[in-house]
Amino acid sequence: RKEVEQDPGPFNVPEGATVAFNCTYSNSASQSFFWYRQDCRKEPKLLMSVYSSGNEDGRFTAQLNRASQYISLLIRDSKLSDSATYLCVVNTGRRALTFGSGTRLQVQP
Amino acid sequence: GAGVSQSPSNKVTEKGKDVELRCDPISGHTALYWYRQSLGQGLEFLIYFQGNSAPDKSGLPSDRFSAERTGGSVSTLTIQRTQQEDSAVYLCASSLATLYGEQYFGPGTRLTVT
Repeated sequence: RKEVEQDPGPFNVPEGATVAFNCTYSNSASQSFFWYRQDCRKEPKLLMSVYSSGNEDGRFTAQLNRASQYISLLIRDSKLSDSATYLCVVNTGRRALTFGSGTRLQVQP
Repeated sequence: GAGVSQSPSNKVTEKGKDVELRCDPISGHTALYWYRQSLGQGLEFLIYFQGNSAPDKSGLPSDRFSAERTGGSVSTLTIQRTQQEDSAVYLCASSLATLYGEQYFGPGTRLTVT
């Protein structure tokens, strides 16, 4: 079983739609959680950290469920510019971040 | 401020040659990481440096790969006797606080072994 699992997609949604991605992680000792965004042929960029209480940044909302070991990202009012691969990332404190393989989002006009 | 920088941005080399990839982390970041990403694949951890501690080399795929970090700042990843399967984007990241902190990535070096 992979340490971090994501549905690869693609998710094809129209502009203005709300879309949600989930991610599960296997290590219950994981301490910090992030969503990164990666555009085609570019480096990953930090989108937001994920806190236990849930957090929101504009159109983006992240949730963490420690009991079920899953993380979610909700994007409201999707824009064309949101098209990218979204990486669920977990840090168990051992060393580097553990990346999911990503969920591809395509927002269509 | 300045982000993580990497050089070269692209490198084409012949099979069997050695290559060196450079990473300059964000000033003040004590942790530095190397990853690699093959086309259409996820990120693969290679090596991690934290301050003056011994690096975590557990992700290096073979003894042809090595890395060093001089003066706690710039890092060089060296691949000896390159093989075609080494072709990938090599990404460097740095972090202010280790263990649980966010990492910031450089633009990567795209390595092509012919």
